[in-house]
Amino acid sequence: QVQLVESGGGVVQPGGSLRLSCLASGFTFSNYAMHWVRQAPGKGLEWVSIISFDAKNEYYADSVKGRFTVSRDSSKNTLYLQMNNLRTEDTAVYFCARDFGVIPDYYYYMDVWGKGTTVSVSS
Amino acid sequence: QSGLTQPPSVSGAPGQRVTISCTGTRYNLGAGFDVHWYQHVPGTAPKLLIYANNNRPSGVPDRFSGSKSGTSASLAITGLQVDDEAEYYCQAIDIGPGTYVVFGGGTKLTVL
Repeated sequence: QVQLVESGGGVVQPGGSLRLSCLASGFTFSNYAMHWVRQAPGKGLEWVSIISFDAKNEYYADSVKGRFTVSRDSSKNTLYLQMNNLRTEDTAVYFCARDFGVIPDYYYYMDVWGKGTTVSVSS
Repeated sequence: QSGLTQPPSVSGAPGQRVTISCTGTRYNLGAGFDVHWYQHVPGTAPKLLIYANNNRPSGVPDRFSGSKSGTSASLAITGLQVDDEAEYYCQAIDIGPGTYVVFGGGTKLTVL
Protein backbone atom coordinates (compact mmCIF):
# COMPACT_ATOMS: atom_id res chain seq x y z
CA GLN A 1 0.00 0.00 0.00
CA VAL A 2 1.00 3.64 -0.36
CA GLN A 3 3.24 4.47 2.58
CA LEU A 4 5.71 7.06 3.86
CA VAL A 5 8.04 6.27 6.76
CA GLU A 6 10.19 8.96 8.34
CA SER A 7 13.38 8.32 10.29
CA GLY A 8 16.44 10.13 11.58
CA GLY A 9 14.95 12.13 14.41
CA GLY A 10 16.70 12.49 17.72
CA VAL A 11 18.08 14.84 20.34
CA VAL A 12 20.59 17.46 19.23
CA GLN A 13 22.15 20.52 20.82
CA PRO A 14 21.44 24.04 19.55
CA GLY A 15 23.65 24.77 16.58
CA GLY A 16 23.85 21.10 15.67
CA SER A 17 22.76 19.24 12.56
CA LEU A 18 20.48 16.35 11.75
CA ARG A 19 19.33 14.65 8.55
CA LEU A 20 15.84 13.25 8.28
CA SER A 21 14.83 10.58 5.76
CA CYS A 22 11.46 9.56 4.37
CA LEU A 23 11.16 6.22 2.59
CA ALA A 24 8.30 6.02 0.09
CA SER A 25 6.63 2.83 -1.08
CA GLY A 26 3.54 1.72 -2.99
CA PHE A 27 3.68 4.49 -5.62
CA THR A 28 6.01 5.92 -8.27
CA PHE A 29 8.02 8.30 -6.09
CA SER A 30 9.57 10.16 -9.03
CA ASN A 31 6.13 11.27 -10.25
CA TYR A 32 5.31 13.41 -7.22
CA ALA A 33 6.47 16.56 -5.50
CA MET A 34 7.08 16.02 -1.80
CA HIS A 35 6.66 18.17 1.32
CA TRP A 36 8.00 18.41 4.84
CA VAL A 37 5.58 19.65 7.52
CA ARG A 38 6.28 19.92 11.24
CA GLN A 39 4.33 20.20 14.49
CA ALA A 40 5.94 21.75 17.55
CA PRO A 41 4.78 20.53 20.98
CA GLY A 42 1.32 21.90 21.72
CA LYS A 43 1.20 23.74 18.40
CA GLY A 44 -0.44 23.25 15.01
CA LEU A 45 0.95 22.10 11.71
CA GLU A 46 3.59 24.26 10.02
CA TRP A 47 4.68 23.80 6.41
CA VAL A 48 8.47 23.56 6.03
CA SER A 49 9.45 22.79 2.45
CA ILE A 50 8.52 21.36 -0.95
CA ILE A 51 10.68 19.76 -3.62
CA SER A 52 9.48 19.19 -7.17
CA PHE A 53 9.22 15.72 -8.69
CA ASP A 54 12.49 16.23 -10.58
CA ALA A 55 14.30 18.03 -7.71
CA LYS A 56 14.79 21.10 -9.91
CA ASN A 57 12.69 23.35 -7.68
CA GLU A 58 12.60 23.66 -3.92
CA TYR A 59 10.92 26.18 -1.65
CA TYR A 60 11.12 26.84 2.07
CA ALA A 61 9.28 28.57 4.87
CA ASP A 62 11.07 31.71 6.04
CA SER A 63 11.61 30.11 9.45
CA VAL A 64 14.01 27.52 7.99
CA LYS A 65 15.36 29.18 4.85
CA GLY A 66 19.15 29.11 4.72
CA ARG A 67 19.38 26.43 7.42
CA PHE A 68 17.38 23.49 5.99
CA THR A 69 17.88 21.78 2.63
CA VAL A 70 15.43 19.36 1.03
CA SER A 71 16.61 16.75 -1.45
CA ARG A 72 15.49 13.45 -2.95
CA ASP A 73 16.99 10.28 -4.38
CA SER A 74 14.51 8.63 -6.71
CA SER A 75 16.73 5.55 -7.09
CA LYS A 76 16.17 4.96 -3.37
CA ASN A 77 12.58 6.29 -3.20
CA THR A 78 13.76 8.54 -0.41
CA LEU A 79 13.19 12.16 0.55
CA TYR A 80 15.64 13.97 2.82
CA LEU A 81 15.72 17.04 5.02
CA GLN A 82 19.16 18.28 6.04
CA MET A 83 18.78 20.52 9.08
CA ASN A 84 21.74 22.70 10.09
CA ASN A 85 22.23 25.34 12.77
CA LEU A 86 19.28 23.93 14.69
CA ARG A 87 17.43 26.11 17.19
CA THR A 88 15.28 25.18 20.16
CA GLU A 89 12.24 26.37 18.21
CA ASP A 90 12.91 23.64 15.61
CA THR A 91 11.83 21.05 18.19
CA ALA A 92 8.89 19.27 16.57
CA VAL A 93 7.51 16.15 14.99
CA TYR A 94 8.50 16.23 11.32
CA PHE A 95 6.15 14.71 8.75
CA CYS A 96 6.86 14.00 5.12
CA ALA A 97 3.89 14.15 2.78
CA ARG A 98 3.13 13.56 -0.87
CA ASP A 99 1.76 16.38 -2.99
CA PHE A 100 -1.65 15.71 -4.49
CA GLY A 101 -0.56 16.54 -8.02
CA VAL A 102 1.01 14.08 -10.44
CA ILE A 103 3.91 14.99 -12.77
CA PRO A 104 4.37 17.72 -13.95
CA ASP A 105 1.90 19.54 -11.68
CA TYR A 106 2.06 20.19 -7.98
CA TYR A 107 -0.88 21.54 -6.08
CA TYR A 108 0.58 22.45 -2.68
CA TYR A 109 -1.63 20.16 -0.67
CA MET A 110 -0.92 16.68 0.63
CA ASP A 111 -2.77 13.42 0.14
CA VAL A 112 -0.42 10.92 1.80
CA TRP A 113 1.41 11.50 5.08
CA GLY A 114 3.85 9.60 7.25
CA LYS A 115 3.53 9.24 11.00
CA GLY A 116 6.44 11.56 11.67
CA THR A 117 9.81 11.53 13.39
CA THR A 118 10.61 13.57 16.50
CA VAL A 119 13.39 16.14 16.64
CA SER A 120 14.35 17.65 19.98
CA VAL A 121 16.80 20.55 20.11
CA SER A 122 18.02 21.08 23.64
CA SER A 123 21.18 21.79 25.57
CA GLN B 1 0.68 34.45 13.16
CA SER B 2 -1.17 32.07 10.85
CA GLY B 3 -2.76 33.44 7.71
CA LEU B 4 -5.74 31.19 8.40
CA THR B 5 -7.77 31.54 11.60
CA GLN B 6 -9.74 28.70 13.18
CA PRO B 7 -11.59 28.44 16.50
CA PRO B 8 -9.46 26.56 19.06
CA SER B 9 -12.22 24.09 19.89
CA VAL B 10 -15.70 22.89 19.05
CA SER B 11 -17.80 20.15 20.57
CA GLY B 12 -20.93 18.16 19.90
CA ALA B 13 -22.83 15.09 20.98
CA PRO B 14 -22.89 11.88 18.96
CA GLY B 15 -25.27 12.21 16.03
CA GLN B 16 -25.15 16.01 15.99
CA ARG B 17 -23.79 18.36 13.32
CA VAL B 18 -20.83 20.66 13.90
CA THR B 19 -19.07 23.20 11.72
CA ILE B 20 -15.50 24.46 11.88
CA SER B 21 -14.73 27.84 10.38
CA CYS B 22 -11.54 28.96 8.65
CA THR B 23 -11.01 32.66 7.99
CA GLY B 24 -8.33 33.72 5.54
CA THR B 25 -6.89 36.90 4.09
CA ARG B 26 -6.42 38.54 0.72
CA TYR B 27 -3.17 36.59 0.43
CA ASN B 28 -4.75 33.13 0.50
CA LEU B 29 -8.49 32.42 0.36
CA GLY B 30 -9.27 35.97 -0.75
CA ALA B 31 -6.81 35.59 -3.63
CA GLY B 32 -8.92 32.75 -4.97
CA PHE B 33 -6.86 29.84 -3.70
CA ASP B 34 -8.63 26.66 -2.70
CA VAL B 35 -8.92 25.47 0.89
CA HIS B 36 -8.15 21.94 2.03
CA TRP B 37 -8.93 20.19 5.30
CA TYR B 38 -7.05 17.58 7.31
CA GLN B 39 -7.96 15.40 10.27
CA HIS B 40 -5.18 14.60 12.74
CA VAL B 41 -5.27 12.29 15.70
CA PRO B 42 -2.08 12.83 17.76
CA GLY B 43 0.48 10.12 17.19
CA THR B 44 -0.88 9.20 13.78
CA ALA B 45 -0.45 10.45 10.22
CA PRO B 46 -2.63 13.44 9.31
CA LYS B 47 -5.37 12.56 6.83
CA LEU B 48 -6.61 14.61 3.88
CA LEU B 49 -10.34 15.05 4.49
CA ILE B 50 -11.47 17.62 1.92
CA TYR B 51 -9.55 19.02 -1.04
CA ALA B 52 -10.22 21.96 -3.34
CA ASN B 53 -12.96 23.39 -1.11
CA ASN B 54 -15.58 20.64 -1.32
CA ASN B 55 -14.12 17.40 -2.68
CA ARG B 56 -13.73 14.21 -0.67
CA PRO B 57 -10.89 11.74 -1.34
CA SER B 58 -11.91 8.15 -1.83
CA GLY B 59 -12.82 6.54 1.48
CA VAL B 60 -13.88 9.72 3.30
CA PRO B 61 -17.55 9.41 4.28
CA ASP B 62 -20.07 11.92 2.98
CA ARG B 63 -20.70 13.02 6.56
CA PHE B 64 -17.80 15.38 5.92
CA SER B 65 -18.34 18.35 3.60
CA GLY B 66 -16.63 21.64 2.86
CA SER B 67 -17.47 25.03 1.46
CA LYS B 68 -15.71 28.28 0.64
CA SER B 69 -16.88 31.81 -0.03
CA GLY B 70 -14.56 34.76 -0.38
CA THR B 71 -12.09 34.79 2.50
CA SER B 72 -14.04 32.23 4.55
CA ALA B 73 -14.37 28.47 4.49
CA SER B 74 -16.00 25.87 6.66
CA LEU B 75 -15.96 22.16 7.34
CA ALA B 76 -19.20 20.48 8.34
CA ILE B 77 -19.48 17.11 10.03
CA THR B 78 -22.89 15.50 10.36
CA GLY B 79 -23.85 12.42 12.35
CA LEU B 80 -20.96 12.96 14.78
CA GLN B 81 -19.19 9.80 15.89
CA VAL B 82 -16.80 9.23 18.77
CA ASP B 83 -14.06 8.41 16.24
CA ASP B 84 -14.36 11.93 14.80
CA GLU B 85 -12.65 13.32 17.90
CA ALA B 86 -9.44 14.81 16.51
CA GLU B 87 -7.68 18.04 15.55
CA TYR B 88 -8.86 19.58 12.25
CA TYR B 89 -6.74 21.91 10.12
CA CYS B 90 -7.52 24.06 7.10
CA GLN B 91 -4.73 24.81 4.62
CA ALA B 92 -4.17 26.91 1.51
CA ILE B 93 -1.54 28.45 -0.72
CA ASP B 94 -0.45 31.86 0.56
CA ILE B 95 1.22 34.57 -1.50
CA GLY B 96 2.09 36.79 1.44
CA PRO B 97 5.72 37.70 2.17
CA GLY B 98 7.88 34.65 2.76
CA THR B 99 5.17 32.02 2.61
CA TYR B 100 3.95 29.43 0.16
CA VAL B 101 1.67 27.23 2.23
CA VAL B 102 -0.26 28.11 5.38
CA PHE B 103 -2.20 25.99 7.84
CA GLY B 104 -4.82 27.22 10.23
CA GLY B 105 -4.03 26.93 13.91
CA GLY B 106 -6.17 23.83 14.25
CA THR B 107 -9.52 23.11 15.91
CA LYS B 108 -9.92 20.42 18.54
CA LEU B 109 -13.20 18.58 18.08
CA THR B 110 -14.53 16.95 21.23
CA VAL B 111 -17.37 14.47 20.93
CA LEU B 112 -19.23 14.67 24.22
